[in-house]
Amino acid sequence: TQLLEQSPQFLSIQEGENLTVYCNSSSVFSSLQWYRQEPGEGPVLLVTVVTGGEVKKLKRLTFQFGDARKDSSLHITAAQPGDTGLYLCAGGGFRSNFGNEKLTFGTGTRLTIIP
Amino acid sequence: EAQVTQNPRYLITVTGKKLTVTCSQNMNHEYMSWYRQDPGLGLRQIYYSMNVEVTDKGDVPEGYKVSRKEKRNFPLILESPSPNQTSLYFCASSSWQGGEKLFFGSGTQLSVL
Repeated sequence: TQLLEQSPQFLSIQEGENLTVYCNSSSVFSSLQWYRQEPGEGPVLLVTVVTGGEVKKLKRLTFQFGDARKDSSLHITAAQPGDTGLYLCAGGGFRSNFGNEKLTFGTGTRLTIIP
Repeated sequence: EAQVTQNPRYLITVTGKKLTVTCSQNMNHEYMSWYRQDPGLGLRQIYYSMNVEVTDKGDVPEGYKVSRKEKRNFPLILESPSPNQTSLYFCASSSWQGGEKLFFGSGTQLSVL
């Protein structure tokens, strides 16, 4: 079973500060997705990275896939209260002989940005 | 509007009373899946379906059933609910899993007394 550990589990910081959350595994993934989940809603996809070392930016959010495709990080610059939420990473497994590919979700980082 | 619709949003029931949580998507997606979300455990997959009449077990299938008779619908059935099935449930769909966007419903909070 592939496991994805996210750290920290909880993070509370002041508006305007920078932060980084991590997603680590001992397994190799074909792709890595990041989702944000707000209270009372389902997760919403933020980004997918597929190449080792790949960096993607989404406004103030920077996502990086590790060179070995075992880990990923999410860096937020100048955090805003609207960034508050549960951040989930999800690793894509390699396709089986039947073509299905399994997503493994991390345990999540609950982020609170204090105005 | 593209969406995944789950019903009900909240459900309180008693042990042993059969229930069904419905899930419908309007995006013509082949892939649909059910997850449960518990504190500290993240999202765990219950069952998934690659297409009509094709379903398979996820990581935690015990105590659950699903069916995929139509492409748009993927109901989750609890034949005899137990308190350890108290959880937040999400249905999701995508056109291709692992690389394509996974769309989630808004969730169903289930409490089994």
